[in-house]
Amino acid sequence: GENVEQHPSTLSVQEGDSAVIKCTYSDSASNYFPWYKQELGKRPQLIIDIRSNVGEKKDQRIAVTLNKTAKHFSLHITETQPEDSAVYFCAASPITSGTYKYIFGTGTRLKVLA
Amino acid sequence: SQTIHQWPATLVQPVGSPLSLECTVEGTSNPNLYWYRQAAGRGLQLLFYSVGIGQISSEVPQNLSASRPQDRQFILSSKKLLLSDSGFYLCAWSTGPRPYEQYFGPGTRLTVT
Repeated sequence: GENVEQHPSTLSVQEGDSAVIKCTYSDSASNYFPWYKQELGKRPQLIIDIRSNVGEKKDQRIAVTLNKTAKHFSLHITETQPEDSAVYFCAASPITSGTYKYIFGTGTRLKVLA
Repeated sequence: SQTIHQWPATLVQPVGSPLSLECTVEGTSNPNLYWYRQAAGRGLQLLFYSVGIGQISSEVPQNLSASRPQDRQFILSSKKLLLSDSGFYLCAWSTGPRPYEQYFGPGTRLTVT
C-alpha cells in the first residue's frame, strides 16, 4: 500500500542550531504535504504545509521544501528553541481525490537542548 | 471560528466492554470528519472518514465502527473492546475553502484493562 517514510526517528540539537526532518512518499498522486507538531499529551497542530505546485514555503523559522521528482519533502527549523521540542509528523495526501485522506509518517521526536 | 470537541477526555474500560466516543464540530457545516488512533509512542492511523451524514468509509478492518448521525457529529463505537484498542483517539475535521487542511480535536485517551 501507499506509505510515507520519515527520518530520523529522534533528533537532538543544541538551542540555536537548525533541525531538518525528511520524508519520502510513494503515491505519485500525492500533491499536498502538511506537517504537524505534537507536544506531549496534546493534539497534533498543523504548522506548515505545501502543495505540489510550489517547491518551497517559509513561515518565520520554519520552511518546507518539496522535490516532486524524487518524492521527497523536508521540514527545516532554524534557530531552534526549547519550545520546538515535540514530535513532528509529515503527511501526504492526493487532494484531488475529494476525500483528502492523509498517509502519515511515523514521526520524529525533536529535542532542543538548552 | 470553528471548534471541535471530543469526549470523554479519558476513559478506562475493561476488555469486552462497549465503547462510544463522540466528536462534534461547531462553526461550520458539511465538514469532512476523520477518526484516527495513535498507539503509545506511535504514529497516526486513519480509522474512518466521512464526507457527509450517514457516509462512512473504513480504512482498517477491526472491531470498531463509526457513525455520523448528524452533520457535525461523528461517533466511534465498539461492541467489545480488546486490549489492543488502547490508545489516543483523535477526531479531525476539514472543510472549504481549504478542505485538505485537517484540524484535530483534543483527543480521548482510552485504556483497556
